[in-house]
Amino acid sequence: GAGVSQSPSNKVTEKGKDVELRCDPISGHTALYWYRQSLGQGLEFLIYFQGNSAPDKSGLPSDRFSAERTGGSVSTLTIQRTQQEDSAVYLCASSPGGRELFFGEGSRLTVL
Amino acid sequence: AQSVTQLGSHVSVSEGALVLLRCNYSSSVPPYLFWYVQYPNQGLQLLLKYTTGATLVKGINGFEAEFKKSETSFHLTKPSAHMSDAAEYFCAVFQAGGSYIPTFGRGTSLIVHP
Repeated sequence: GAGVSQSPSNKVTEKGKDVELRCDPISGHTALYWYRQSLGQGLEFLIYFQGNSAPDKSGLPSDRFSAERTGGSVSTLTIQRTQQEDSAVYLCASSPGGRELFFGEGSRLTVL
Repeated sequence: AQSVTQLGSHVSVSEGALVLLRCNYSSSVPPYLFWYVQYPNQGLQLLLKYTTGATLVKGINGFEAEFKKSETSFHLTKPSAHMSDAAEYFCAVFQAGGSYIPTFGRGTSLIVHP
């Protein structure tokens, strides 16, 4: 497809398990962002990738969160030892570099 | 540092009435300003953007916004609300020449009554 693709769309896991969320950006977009959206909390920046530069990880809330981007394209956000407060919608966005972000539909994570 | 304030977490209007969603920003340098809309269970979609040039910007679905530097505002308006406009609206700011990480407001939920 032409848009940003995220999978899974919904994930239910048990506390303490690890989860991986995947993002396929728009082809040719050099920038990729991860945001977390909790109920009533707006968008919380997590991490930013730009080309081959070192990612900006300043928004990651703890060392349980990590992300990688392989080959300048697909990105995976990994949350280790999930906690109930990690329950949220995780949004991925890509950009051709002109500051306009194109968002995927998100991955809804529920930690029981 | 930049920040974005959206006044009112919820705005309720009647169908056909004027829509006004407020956004104020703080930035030490000229900003790039954006409005995004999020429909239920969907990602964010760009409504309109201001980078340079004309301060009145027109977007999709009949929305427009005016950049007012003196008021540090970028309020979103639509003359006549439709039921289909019910959604969450987010204002975002980039600093021109600065970071490529935008700052988003907390969002305003628009409720449209028949």
